[in-house]
Amino acid sequence: NAGVTQTPKFRILKIGQSMTLQCAQDMNHNYMYWYRQDPGMGLKLIYYSVGAGITDKGEVPNGYNVSRSTTEDFPLRLELAAPSQTSVYFCASSYSSGTYEQYFGPGTRLTVT
Amino acid sequence: TQLLEQSPQFLSIQEGENLTVYCNSSSVFSSLQWYRQEPGEGPVLLVTVVTGGEVKKLKRLTFQFGDARKDSSLHITAAQPGDTGLYLCAGSAGGTSYGKLTFGQGTILTVHP
Repeated sequence: NAGVTQTPKFRILKIGQSMTLQCAQDMNHNYMYWYRQDPGMGLKLIYYSVGAGITDKGEVPNGYNVSRSTTEDFPLRLELAAPSQTSVYFCASSYSSGTYEQYFGPGTRLTVT
Repeated sequence: TQLLEQSPQFLSIQEGENLTVYCNSSSVFSSLQWYRQEPGEGPVLLVTVVTGGEVKKLKRLTFQFGDARKDSSLHITAAQPGDTGLYLCAGSAGGTSYGKLTFGQGTILTVHP
């Protein structure tokens, strides 16, 4: 199993550009999450999904959008990139019961200039 | 909003020393997880504690969940350079929280040979 995969690994965007961060998991997990990680700030939840077709906002959703058309994929869309979105983005997935241990992808380092 | 305060934020020690990282909150969590993250990678789960007062050991790492399930600690005995990394605690509210985690700010541990 590949676990959770993310692409791209690195990306530089100009202000106002758009992009989609890809995330896929092959563990048949229903729950999936997008986080951003800023230095000294831990991880902040952007959006999450409890199954195909169901998404909801997390703690810091402004400037982002998500969709979940399949169990495997959970892309994150940035429509109008801003410098404040410079961060490392992590996708994670978990089972839908028990203690919800999360499995993380390797991350995407995004710089907006 | 649930918050997790993690301390210390930075820890720099010599090989062979012992250390403790603390994770505190005013909120009750149904479970608490500890993750370790290396540079350029996503967090990896170390342990989950569920019961108040629970103690779990993972080789030289000892994890404890507070009796009231509001705090947790990670103790490392005889630290080694391979223990270097970012340690994150994360709490789950359980119930209908859909596995959403609240993360502490993280502790950056450096173990010098």
